[in-house]
Amino acid sequence: GAVVSQHPSRVICKSGTSVKIECRSLDFQATTMFWYRQFPKQSLMLMATSNEGSKATYEQGVEKDKFLINHASLTLSTLTVTSAHPEDSSFYICSAIKTGVGYNEQFFGPGTRLTVL
Amino acid sequence: LAKTTQPISMDSYEGQEVNITCSHNNIATNDYITWYQQFPSQGPRFIIQGYKTKVTNEVASLFIPADRKSSTLSLPRVSLSDTAVYYCLVGSGTYKYIFGTGTRLKVLA
Repeated sequence: GAVVSQHPSRVICKSGTSVKIECRSLDFQATTMFWYRQFPKQSLMLMATSNEGSKATYEQGVEKDKFLINHASLTLSTLTVTSAHPEDSSFYICSAIKTGVGYNEQFFGPGTRLTVL
Repeated sequence: LAKTTQPISMDSYEGQEVNITCSHNNIATNDYITWYQQFPSQGPRFIIQGYKTKVTNEVASLFIPADRKSSTLSLPRVSLSDTAVYYCLVGSGTYKYIFGTGTRLKVLA
């Protein structure tokens, strides 16, 4: 199957700093990528839809100025958590849509564990 | 977006067949049903996808009745390594998935 990578796999930062997480589709081009957040023992929560060449679409309740998304190429989307605070500590997962003739498949990245001290 | 409902948790023993049912009463005509598996601190992994009737691959089977308002993931002869959370997702086109609670499967020796 297709491969989606995330970098870094885990990051620890101080409160007030900004953290950038990269999501790459390694062997296919993805016009659309999604960003999810997952707290311990909970399900994935969709944060935003990242569209190549256009602004991201955020889900209700997600602050677009806090979670900056840039989808500058067909293989890379980045999520920047600005002025991170301890409550932003979570597992962030991206996914990418691989489009084929008559089908779409969604592949998930391995996730990034963010810990804000 | 179709909402899905699954049992919160299930226990099984090694070697048994496990069936996890998901209900999706407001599934749309164009929606496909996809099941993912997630281990702790990992991203979800695709298991199987179907539209209607029965689909089988090397790891699972998916049964979808004619009204498509539910689906059942069948895992034959589970092992300890199948302990994970299983998500049933419904969607199409842009695949903007809304994750439900998932089913936490625990396989016992």
